Formats: sequence, C-alpha cells, structure tokens
Amino acid sequence: DARVTQTPRHKVTEMGQEVTMRCQPILGHNTVFWYRQTMMQGLELLAYFRNRAPLDDSGMPKDRFSAEMPDATLATLKIQPSEPRDSAVYFCASVGASSYEQYFGPGTRLTVT
Amino acid sequence: RKEVEQDPGPFNVPEGATVAFNCTYSNSASQSFFWYRQDCRKEPKLLMSVYSSGNEDGRFTAQLNRASQYISLLIRDSELSDSATYLCVVNGNTDKLIFGTGTRLQVFP
Repeated sequence: DARVTQTPRHKVTEMGQEVTMRCQPILGHNTVFWYRQTMMQGLELLAYFRNRAPLDDSGMPKDRFSAEMPDATLATLKIQPSEPRDSAVYFCASVGASSYEQYFGPGTRLTVT
Repeated sequence: RKEVEQDPGPFNVPEGATVAFNCTYSNSASQSFFWYRQDCRKEPKLLMSVYSSGNEDGRFTAQLNRASQYISLLIRDSELSDSATYLCVVNGNTDKLIFGTGTRLQVFP
C-alpha cells in the first residue's frame, strides 16, 4: 500500500531553533507539494516541485523558510529561525503524472515555544 | 475575498439524515473540482471528483454549477462514520489545488 511518509510526526522546539521536516513521496510520483494547516487559515500551499525542480514557492516566507528536493525520494522543508507563529501542521503531498489526485502524508505537527 | 469559500459549520445531524454543503469559488477559469475529507488530526483524502454533469458515489452526490461558480456535496442516509471535515477544492489551469477551510460535519446517534 503506497503512501507518503513524513518525519518527524511531532516536533516541539524553542523559538530561534532550526527545524527540518522530511517527506518521502510515493514512488513514481513526480510532483510534490508542501502545505501548512492552521485552524484560522486552513490549508495553505507553501511550495511545490515537479521532477525535483521548484515550480512555485510564492506561499513561503522567503526569509526563514526553504524547500528542497535533493533526490526523487526526499523533499525537505526547513525553517530557520523558527518563530511561535510557525506552529502548525505541515503536510506533504505527492501526485503522479496525468493526475490531479494529491496523496497526503500524515503531517508534521510543529509547536514552537 | 477567498478563492474558495465554505460555511465552516458545524453541521450537527442525526444518523439517517440528508445533509448538503455548498462551496463557492472565485476563479471562473477553474477547470477541476474535488471534495476531500479530513478526519480529526489526520491528513486530507480525496472523497470524489466533481464533474460538470454531476456525479454520484453511493450515498454521496456532487454537483457543479459553473454559471454561479458553486459546488455542492449531498450526503444521504448519513452515518456516524461520516463525521469529519469536508474540504472543497478547486484548481485553475495550473497544478495547484486551492483548498477551502472546510465544513465540519458531526453525525449523532
């Protein structure tokens, strides 16, 4: 049963610390999305990649967030330095070619104190 | 104005009831439409796509009105397991999906 995996599932950190979240898309899926979900804003798109190339990161605060895909099996989202307002659930999703259905990972629940 | 708007609810309905959710979208160029379901503290999952002619999947019926730019989801004979948040999702002419903030449904015995 192919699924998207994310690590860590939970992260509690202090303001100012670096946070790295990882995502393994479904094997063969060539498009990867990063979302942030809060109660107030719902699901917001932060960035997405196709064939490992960044296509759009306009939803991401550039000064502290960065997203990369070092290889086809790994996507990373980094926050440095983290702030309390970054507390949210971060989801990764992947899509196969010729499809719109996004398969979501279980999310990383981030708390910044 | 948000690109996709939904009534946040909650909708509290008894088992067996019929419940309907609506959603409006602002981009008239939107091409594809979906309903996703999200259980508490879980990830969103695709419930069904929405086609221009309307479509049905068991107890679920989805409809699209392009002229008025709204999408609906009807759930018949609701079950306790239908309790979740239902996300209306729209995409334009890109790969990006725009998610509504969701409508919460609570089905009670």
